[in-house]
Amino acid sequence: EPEVTQTPSHQVTQMGQEVILRCVPISNHLYFYWYRQILGQKVEFLVSFYNNEISEKSEIFDDQFSVERPDGSNFTLKIRSTKLEDSAMYFCASSGQRGETQYFGPGTRLLVL
Amino acid sequence: RKEVEQDPGPFNVPEGATVAFNCTYSNSASQSFFWYRQDCRKEPKLLMSVYSSGNEDGRFTAQLNRASQYISLLIRDSKLSDSATYLCVGRGSGGYNKLIFGAGTRLAVHP
Repeated sequence: EPEVTQTPSHQVTQMGQEVILRCVPISNHLYFYWYRQILGQKVEFLVSFYNNEISEKSEIFDDQFSVERPDGSNFTLKIRSTKLEDSAMYFCASSGQRGETQYFGPGTRLLVL
Repeated sequence: RKEVEQDPGPFNVPEGATVAFNCTYSNSASQSFFWYRQDCRKEPKLLMSVYSSGNEDGRFTAQLNRASQYISLLIRDSKLSDSATYLCVGRGSGGYNKLIFGAGTRLAVHP
């Protein structure tokens, strides 16, 4: 069964450093998403991406965040200058069509020290 | 009002019990609804979609009441493997269909 994959599974970084989280969505999917979950809190939407551009973003997704689909398979989330409060689990998701089921990757646990 | 609101639990039930979870939603999360399951430190996984007519998948039954903005999930004959957090999820009414998650209801099934 096709699945969304994410790398790395864990990332530890110093405050102020840049991190790039990588995702490989399901191969024929067209819609891509990033969500995050701070420990003990709910899953929160960050951004959706379609046709090589951001289609929607939340208040959390400020100028420190960016997304990119650098090639036909990868979908990345970059945090330019990490803050302590960026520590969370980051989930990538994809769906085939707008409104279809979103399938989640296993997540990247980011710890900012 | 929170967009999607759930009772956090935990619900501690013996194997074989029937357990029901409830969820309410606001207008911004009102396009369509789902129940996801999340195991500790894992990704959310779709359990089932929720339809106005109600739907059943084995031991699981989901109901949607649009008039009351209320969603439910019933689990019959609970198994130890049902222990997880159950997430009530709405799809946003605008944009590209972001998912709006409730905080989750924790279920612990014991022998």
